[in-house]
Amino acid sequence: RKEVEQDPGPFNVPEGATVAFNCTYSNSASQSFFWYRQDCRKEPKLLMSVYSSGNEDGRFTAQLNRASQYISLLIRDSKLSDSATYLCVVILYNFNKFYFGSGTKLNVKP
Amino acid sequence: DAGVTQSPTHLIKTRGQQVTLRCSPKSGHDTVSWYQQALGQGPQFIFQYYEEEERQRGNFPDRFSGHQYPNYSSELNVNALLLGDSALYLCASSLDVSSGNTIYFGEGSWLTVV
Repeated sequence: RKEVEQDPGPFNVPEGATVAFNCTYSNSASQSFFWYRQDCRKEPKLLMSVYSSGNEDGRFTAQLNRASQYISLLIRDSKLSDSATYLCVVILYNFNKFYFGSGTKLNVKP
Repeated sequence: DAGVTQSPTHLIKTRGQQVTLRCSPKSGHDTVSWYQQALGQGPQFIFQYYEEEERQRGNFPDRFSGHQYPNYSSELNVNALLLGDSALYLCASSLDVSSGNTIYFGEGSWLTVV
């Protein structure tokens, strides 16, 4: 079983739509969680951290559900520029390990 | 403040050859990790260097080796290249992961093996 799993998509949504992605992780000892954004043929860039209490950054909201072992990313009022692949990252600090999901592709269309 | 820099950005090698990729971490970062990302896949962890030693290793064969220098820069070496080694190789730097810091990526080195 993979450490981190994501629906690869693609999610095709119109501009202005709200879209949500989930990412499940298998190790209950996981300690930190992040969402990264990766544009085509570019390196991943940190989008936001995910805190137990949930956190919001403009149109983006990230949440963590430890009981069910998943994190989520909600994007409101989608823009064309949001089109990218979104990677979730799970970190086990005790073992200095961090795991990436395969990414979820989002296409925002006019 | 320079971010993570990698070189070369693109290269083409023949099966059986050897390649060396280089990475300079973000200023102040002491930990360097290397990832392989095939098309359509998420980054796969190769190994991590801290204090000039390999601290963690993913499921990659011994053909993949590395080094970290006292200035924290790092190299990834791949011997006996296979067609399947064609991928984007990403270097990521951080302060020691165990202290709770996140990671930043370089732009990557695109390796094509023909």
